[in-house]
Amino acid sequence: EVQLLESGGALVRPGGSLRLSCAASGFPFNNYAMNWVRQAPGKGLEWVSGLSGSGGSTYYADSVKGRFTISRDNSKNTLYLQMNSLRAEDTAVYYCAKERENIHSLYYFDYWGQGTQVTVSS
Amino acid sequence: EIVLTQSPATLALSPGDRATLSCRASQSVSTFIGWYQQKPGQAPRLLIYDASNRATGIPTRFSGSGSGTDFTLTISSLEPEDFAVYYCQQRSSWPPLTFGGGTKVEIK
Repeated sequence: EVQLLESGGALVRPGGSLRLSCAASGFPFNNYAMNWVRQAPGKGLEWVSGLSGSGGSTYYADSVKGRFTISRDNSKNTLYLQMNSLRAEDTAVYYCAKERENIHSLYYFDYWGQGTQVTVSS
Repeated sequence: EIVLTQSPATLALSPGDRATLSCRASQSVSTFIGWYQQKPGQAPRLLIYDASNRATGIPTRFSGSGSGTDFTLTISSLEPEDFAVYYCQQRSSWPPLTFGGGTKVEIK
């Protein structure tokens, strides 16, 4: 059974930093691209970042480029999102999401974690 | 960036009704559209990929159609568990992957 378990969400002040983790199990982790998708309170879904199975290719939404860094440790089956220079508009539930069929490309998300809450406020 | 516009924003229907949800892309995305269902407090669930392919375990009452810029998600006969928010998503041109604003299917 595929499982994705996010952790690391917290209340942080504007300008602060946070690192999210997503522990994966139930599938060959290094064979799939992975993503972070967020959802602000009462709003829709926003893709944040994704990376290839090897971690060699990374992609970002313009809204987070230069502030967030996605990475993975395939030996630990874990996905990360390092978030720096956080802003109020980064407040959201952050979901880890598995790519449906690709190791290199970002297409669709067939499994999602339960989400972790990030709140940026003074 | 490809913008996806979903309509209507809210659809009020009764169990057993047919639901027709629309997603329009700002430019052609071929058939590279997916649909997700999200219930309150839960993560989204993939229903349809590449416009018309049901994801694993998705009931046959869910179907997708369309190509180019206009897409439809149809629920042939609404079950009580189908009342939720539905999002479309494109993978034609990325980054970024983009989602529509969602359609809420609520009980009439």
